[in-house]
Amino acid sequence: GENVEQHPSTLSVQEGDSAVIKCTYSDSASNYFPWYKQELGKRPQLIIDIRSNVGEKKDQRIAVTLNKTAKHFSLHITETQPEDSAVYFCAPSTSGYALNFGKGTSLLVTP
Amino acid sequence: NAGVTQTPKFQVLKTGQSMTLQCAQDMNHEYMSWYRQDPGMGLRLIHYSVGAGITDQGEVPNGYNVSRSTTEDFPLRLLSAAPSQTSVYFCASRGTDTQYFGPGTRLTVL
Repeated sequence: GENVEQHPSTLSVQEGDSAVIKCTYSDSASNYFPWYKQELGKRPQLIIDIRSNVGEKKDQRIAVTLNKTAKHFSLHITETQPEDSAVYFCAPSTSGYALNFGKGTSLLVTP
Repeated sequence: NAGVTQTPKFQVLKTGQSMTLQCAQDMNHEYMSWYRQDPGMGLRLIHYSVGAGITDQGEVPNGYNVSRSTTEDFPLRLLSAAPSQTSVYFCASRGTDTQYFGPGTRLTVL
């Protein structure tokens, strides 16, 4: 099966700083690359995704970049705010249906 | 439009008991799936369905059964609960691109 690794496992930044989380995957057939945000006790929610025919996608303060050759993609959050504090998961997929979740990155944004 | 709903929110079982976790969606999505989430872990796929009458196994299917008789409902059955099945269970359905998760069921097996 797909081997998915996220780094770092925890990340602490000051409000206003940028945060970057990297996801490495093993299946070269993966073609859908989403990032989910999960607040404590809540369900995962999709925050941004990208398909393999695109190298970068941006939505306001959030961006995802993809390097298919190296088999990794990254989540970039700029101008971080305390409400960005959560656990972030990458979940690459070969079909967009069955998602292969990483173990998560706990982001803490301190005021 | 309620999205994806799950019942119950919490459940405590004794080892060996059986139960069914309910999942329903009102978005007319063909694809539905069940995941479990253990502490410090990402979500792991248990079973999925690409339409009524069609189900298949995911990464961790042992100890669980599913069926899909309607587009709306996708129940997950625990046949004989074990402490290793203590987890948070999420149901999801997929539209054109996005997977929508239900609020989860927190299950404890004693």
